[in-house]
Amino acid sequence: GQSLEQPSEVTAVEGAIVQINCTYQTSGFYGLSWYQQHDGGAPTFLSYNGLDGLEETGRFSSFLSRSDSYGYLLLQELQMKDSASYFCAPPYSGAGSYQLTFGKGTKLSVIP
Amino acid sequence: EAGVTQFPSHSVIEKGQTVTLRCDPISGHDNLYWYRRVMGKEIKFLLHFVKESKQDESGMPNNRFLAERTGGTYSTLKVQPAELEDSGVYFCASSQARSPGANVLTFGAGSRLTVL
Repeated sequence: GQSLEQPSEVTAVEGAIVQINCTYQTSGFYGLSWYQQHDGGAPTFLSYNGLDGLEETGRFSSFLSRSDSYGYLLLQELQMKDSASYFCAPPYSGAGSYQLTFGKGTKLSVIP
Repeated sequence: EAGVTQFPSHSVIEKGQTVTLRCDPISGHDNLYWYRRVMGKEIKFLLHFVKESKQDESGMPNNRFLAERTGGTYSTLKVQPAELEDSGVYFCASSQARSPGANVLTFGAGSRLTVL
């Protein structure tokens, strides 16, 4: 089975740094993806960690520790437009198919 | 390249009626997925097509939901008859991946379904 745990809500100040944690339990682990979804919008891909360690993409970084079944998304120099929901999504493979499993996500509110 | 296109963007129907949602994936993407998000809850997997074949439909709620992907191009998701609990946003996504790792999904803007 699959289970994902993320904080439901996080509030941070513009210009600050925020970390969104994700713990997972999944059978057959291939890595961890992160997606962003603004209200009323489509989820969009942010980053993917296939191996342990840190991946950096501009203001966003993502970290994975397979031994701890844990990852996080780090957002630096927060901007108002970063207010959105963030989902960790491990790829899942089963029944000859492969897909992404999404949890409930973390709603980030950036305040002035 | 054109993105994933979904139609309609919003549909309001009465309980018992039928609705058909359409998704046009990115050209060349063999994988097509349907997901649903009910207000405040998780984005839940419904099913996965590879070309025209249903690879995994384990997430389909019940037999009121029927998905097709004729010719391996666009896909339709029909809900018949619709119930109140079917309300939510239905997302379609496509990808080129041929393995689970680094499977980057491109999502459409979603079809918001409201059942009254």
